Amino acid sequence: QVTLRESGPALVKPTQSVTLTCTFSGFSLSTSGMCVSWIRQPPGKALEWLARIHWDDSKYYDTSLKTRLTISKDNSKNQVVVTMTNMDPVDTATYYCARTRGYSNGFDYWGQGALVTVSS
Amino acid sequence: DIQMTQSPSSLSASVGDRVTITCRASQSINNYLNWYQQKPGNAPKLLIYEASTLQTGVPSRFSASGSGTDFTLTISSLQPEDFATYYCLHQYTIPAWTFGQGTKVEIK
Repeated sequence: QVTLRESGPALVKPTQSVTLTCTFSGFSLSTSGMCVSWIRQPPGKALEWLARIHWDDSKYYDTSLKTRLTISKDNSKNQVVVTMTNMDPVDTATYYCARTRGYSNGFDYWGQGALVTVSS
Repeated sequence: DIQMTQSPSSLSASVGDRVTITCRASQSINNYLNWYQQKPGNAPKLLIYEASTLQTGVPSRFSASGSGTDFTLTISSLQPEDFATYYCLHQYTIPAWTFGQGTKVEIK
């Protein structure tokens, strides 16, 4: 079965960078059409799509955050990694990774989410 | 970037009610629209993709329609487990995909 799990630091200081890892199983990101996205949700607020990486290594970012985000994948480890630089308290959120098959089929599998708190 | 506007932002309804949520895109997105349900403390769950296709395992009381800029999600007879927050998401453009701001469905 398909599973995704986010991991990374729970607490980061302002101005630091954070690296989050999505480790998945049950599918291969080298399979045509597969895609993994990162999505975040500040406490009590709406979902926000951040970035995605496709099976062919094409990468796309939220326009307002693209200067701070880098996404990559390691097919041999079944992992997708996102790094966000210059963290601020407003970046405190639960960060999710989620899978898409194709370009319009929606996020059919999600990780359980990882809370990242930005505080000094 | 394409903006997604959901309405209402919240609603109160009773078990058995018919509920409709609307999502409007700032430009045409054809049918590249999904709907998600999120309950507190949980990851979102995909309900509908490509504007009107029910995800496997989702109850048939959920339906959706629309194309272009205007989309609706309908729950034909609200059940206790349907009280949640609902989000739309467009997958139309490169680069960015965008969620709506959410609609919280509460018990009246």
